[in-house]
Amino acid sequence: ETGVTQSPTHLIKTRGQQVTLRCSSQSGHNTVSWYQQALGQGPQFIFQYYREEENGRGNFPPRFSGLQFPNYSSELNVNALELDDSALYLCASGSDGQGHNEKLFFGSGTQLSVL
Amino acid sequence: QKEVEQNSGPLSVPEGAIASLNCTYSDRGSQSFFWYRQYSGKSPELIMSIYSNGDKEDGRFTAQLNKASQYVSLLIRDSQPSDSATYLCAGGDYQLIWGAGTKLIIKP
Repeated sequence: ETGVTQSPTHLIKTRGQQVTLRCSSQSGHNTVSWYQQALGQGPQFIFQYYREEENGRGNFPPRFSGLQFPNYSSELNVNALELDDSALYLCASGSDGQGHNEKLFFGSGTQLSVL
Repeated sequence: QKEVEQNSGPLSVPEGAIASLNCTYSDRGSQSFFWYRQYSGKSPELIMSIYSNGDKEDGRFTAQLNKASQYVSLLIRDSQPSDSATYLCAGGDYQLIWGAGTKLIIKP
């Protein structure tokens, strides 16, 4: 167990809807990263938060947004869902504040299906 | 385009043998490299990290890094059926770039 928890575990939405995924980081970790993992692919970096501010972003459109709260919990919001957004969404926490050379500890993920 | 390349496999290895997993990366500025294990339907689990050229051993696992050749490998000694999983290689500096993973099958 990594101490990183995600909810919900599974979610089904329809195209055009909005979704919010939640993550609770491991105690003592102040950085959270979100990843999208399509079937048979490696995780794709969405963005990272450090001390409640976005600290880096991958090649994802603005309809993917996030928040980090003072207790280091985090949310991933996706607006205007598309069929290609169907994937496993992973939250990972770390303790290196600047994100360099960082070991990541993953939650169990949220499997999102967009119909 | 920064990339991390892995052979998708599957790589089939007899129980008790050495499994050798390989990874190449394109970004010469990468400083940190990680191997993660991912069982089907589960999230990635950190196996090894390596930052310097050479070998790093942890139990049955040895990670090898060659920055001149932009090459990272993971050796698993005395392979067990429970080692059957997809192994993900990740490297980078500020942002990690991930390979698509190699599926490893350990045959009893």
